[in-house]
Amino acid sequence: ETGVTQSPTHLIKTRGQQVTLRCSSQSGHNTVSWYQQALGQGPQFIFQYYREEENGRGNFPPRFSGLQFPNYSSELNVNALELDDSALYLCASSLKGQVMGEQFFGPGTRLTVL
Amino acid sequence: AQSVTQLGSHVSVSEGALVLLRCNYSSSVPPYLFWYVQYPNQGLQLLLKYTSAATLVKGINGFEAEFKKSETSFHLTKPSAHMSDAAEYFCAVSDNSGYSTLTFGKGTMLLVSP
Repeated sequence: ETGVTQSPTHLIKTRGQQVTLRCSSQSGHNTVSWYQQALGQGPQFIFQYYREEENGRGNFPPRFSGLQFPNYSSELNVNALELDDSALYLCASSLKGQVMGEQFFGPGTRLTVL
Repeated sequence: AQSVTQLGSHVSVSEGALVLLRCNYSSSVPPYLFWYVQYPNQGLQLLLKYTSAATLVKGINGFEAEFKKSETSFHLTKPSAHMSDAAEYFCAVSDNSGYSTLTFGKGTMLLVSP
């Protein structure tokens, strides 16, 4: 059974640039959620994708967008990067329909915006 | 809306001592509750979860938590701390909306001294 993988591990960008983060879900999972974890804080829900459509969104601006592909992998895109976007971005996969299915987290992508 | 409060950003114990990490939640519906652990530069690993079955939940690595509805609490305990328990611990709450998104507390760093 393959776990959740994320790429890249680390990324450095400058303010105003755009970034794409990638996530491969665990085998058999059809739902991907993205979280932002700022330094010293708990993870905050960005959005969730199911059947290639956004299935819920947290309090993040539209410059945060995503995609889910037929193989259930996912991308998180952030446009017009701001310094406050520096954080660990976590991807979690789960199986929708399973009662309170556990979310399995990847190791995260550390984004630094200079 | 749901929220989680973790009392104490840092907790220090000696090896072999009792570990107690506090979590209080707020939820307008019967909650699902979770404890996750995060080791440095890693993603989140599920320790245990409460999903309205037994109020005393046993997890991995000797941890357990008790759901107390009257106190809106879900404190995490371990009878005897080990050096390898040093990590950051997050309490999280989810509703039963089907989205299965998690609302996390700010985390508690557990420090274990020899």
